[in-house]
Amino acid sequence: AQKITQTQPGMFVQEKEAVTLDCTYDTSDPSYGLFWYKQPSSGEMIFLIYQGSYDQQNATEGRYSLNFQKARKSANLVISASQLGDSAMYFCAMREISGTYKYIFGTGTRLKVLA
Amino acid sequence: NAGVMQNPRHLVRRRGQEARLRCSPMKGHSHVYWYRQLPEEGLKFMVYLQKENIIDESGMPKERFSAEFPKEGPSILRIQQVVRGDSAAYFCASSPEGRMFNEKLFFGSGTQLSVL
Repeated sequence: AQKITQTQPGMFVQEKEAVTLDCTYDTSDPSYGLFWYKQPSSGEMIFLIYQGSYDQQNATEGRYSLNFQKARKSANLVISASQLGDSAMYFCAMREISGTYKYIFGTGTRLKVLA
Repeated sequence: NAGVMQNPRHLVRRRGQEARLRCSPMKGHSHVYWYRQLPEEGLKFMVYLQKENIIDESGMPKERFSAEFPKEGPSILRIQQVVRGDSAAYFCASSPEGRMFNEKLFFGSGTQLSVL
């Protein structure tokens, strides 16, 4: 069964510094997609970045990049130049192509950016 | 172009009552997913529906919970005889095709259910 693990319940980072949020996954499917979402205190879910299992390069979207290590089954999110507005919950998610194509989410990491 | 619409935003029910949560997917989307989130926890998958079909309900409790996505109208998550443990935020998300693994989910703002 597919599984997403986020081992950091909470993280602190100084403003303007970079931070890495960990995500490991477990799947036997060769084809899958990995996603990161941000949930600020207002509650909405905001899509940040996507990585496909066959993508050769790590995904980047502005200040967000994904450190994808397929052999280790990890898909860590890197936020560069942290801003106060980055303080939020961050969720890693996976979608398998086998089975029913559902998306499963990790338990999240709460990031606090310090001024 | 309206996003995923969920209503109500807040729903208060007494134990034993029924709760109905509605979700209208983004225009052009035919796949709907429901998730439950408890405070300080992640999103727990409940059910995945396509128009008039339940694709995967493996995350939904067998009793008291049901979901539908009719040909016309919003998707409905129904909780009968609510108990205090049902208090949570319920999120709906939609996607267009359902068969591409690079499709991102578009989320609604959630319904906060409080059971007194």
